[in-house]
Amino acid sequence: GDSVTQMEGPVTLSEEAFLTINCTYTATGYPSLFWYVQYPGEGLQLLLKATKADDKGSNKGFEATYRKETTSFHLEKGSVQVSDSAVYFCALTLLNQAGTALIFGKGTTLSVSS
Amino acid sequence: GAGVSQSPSNKVTEKGKDVELRCDPISGHTALYWYRQSLGQGLEFLIYFQGNSAPDKSGLPSDRFSAERTGGSVSTLTIQRTQQEDSAVYLCASSLDSGGYNEQFFGPGTRLTVL
Repeated sequence: GDSVTQMEGPVTLSEEAFLTINCTYTATGYPSLFWYVQYPGEGLQLLLKATKADDKGSNKGFEATYRKETTSFHLEKGSVQVSDSAVYFCALTLLNQAGTALIFGKGTTLSVSS
Repeated sequence: GAGVSQSPSNKVTEKGKDVELRCDPISGHTALYWYRQSLGQGLEFLIYFQGNSAPDKSGLPSDRFSAERTGGSVSTLTIQRTQQEDSAVYLCASSLDSGGYNEQFFGPGTRLTVL
């Protein structure tokens, strides 16, 4: 079945370090790919998305490129801040299905220290 | 404008009791989704509504779980005869319609603890 695999955390970084969180997917159809973020005490919110191969999603300094050949959607940020500490979820939906529910990875906890 | 709201924010119940969880989606959003977030299973899809109908109930874990939506707006997730493994955060999301391009907006969740 369709699934998302992301690197397990926690990931602990110092401020201004480079961040990569790996995400790969398995899908029978044509997925849209998403990164959601959950800050402490807050709800899930969309960070960025890409809807077709080679698209790059970006927001708040984060980027991820939809790589169909490697079925990946790795999240990167050049210089993390303490305020980026959160849980990050990679997810997909399938465009060829109505009512596409999000299929999530297990989440990666990022902790950034000053 | 108001986002997705859920109530209660926390619910503690005893094993065997029934619980109702409520979701109020963003006004005008026709699609509504329920998910469950638990330590062991991560984020799991439960059920989806388009308007008042539920074309996809595939994620409901057992027949103790049911959901309804009335007036194309508020939805209620009911868990009968709760078990300890039902303890989780139940998240509701809504989107403009059911197309996969549409962002799903999540509520803050209801934390359910079954003693």
